[in-house]
Amino acid sequence: AQTVTQSQPEMSVQEAETVTLSCTYDTSENNYYLFWYKQPPSRQMILVIRQEAYKQQNATENRFSVNFQKAAKSFSLKISDSQLGDTAMYFCAFMKTGANNLFFGTGTRLTVIP
Amino acid sequence: NAGVMQNPRHLVRRRGQEARLRCSPMKGHSHVYWYRQLPEEGLKFMVYLQKENIIDESGMPKERFSAEFPKEGPSILRIQQVVRGDSAAYFCASSIATGTSSGNTIYFGEGSWLTVV
Repeated sequence: AQTVTQSQPEMSVQEAETVTLSCTYDTSENNYYLFWYKQPPSRQMILVIRQEAYKQQNATENRFSVNFQKAAKSFSLKISDSQLGDTAMYFCAFMKTGANNLFFGTGTRLTVIP
Repeated sequence: NAGVMQNPRHLVRRRGQEARLRCSPMKGHSHVYWYRQLPEEGLKFMVYLQKENIIDESGMPKERFSAEFPKEGPSILRIQQVVRGDSAAYFCASSIATGTSSGNTIYFGEGSWLTVV
């Protein structure tokens, strides 16, 4: 079974600063995908970034980037130049290749302080 | 391009009543998923459907819950005889397909918030 662990229930960061959210996972699979989703106060689930396990290059989307360490089964999210609109719950998620369901962590509540 | 559409956004039901939640996938998506989010928790997979077929319902409670995705119309998640413990956010999601080069990216709707009183 796959498990996803987010060990930081809450974090805060000053506006314009950089913050890193941690995620580790446990799987025996070799091919899979990892995701970060953002859930703002509106509670919509928004895809932030995606990483394919077979790619060594870390995914980047504007101010969001990941540090994917496959051997360590670690998948952290870095948010640069934090903005007030980044305040949200952030969920790390895992999906086995060819599967049809995501396994989510318990989330990290990020607050950006003006 | 409209995203995943869910309705109602908020639903209040008394114990014992039925709740019906509807979901229209993104245009071009033929795969639908339902997830449940209990307060202060992450999302938990419930069921995966394609048109007229339930592919994986391993996350569905054995009783009172059912889902369908008919040939025409939205997917429906139905909860019969609701209890207080059913109070949660129910998210629908959709994707083009699994195992494709699009990488199984799943897009979520805005959720339906069920409150059982």
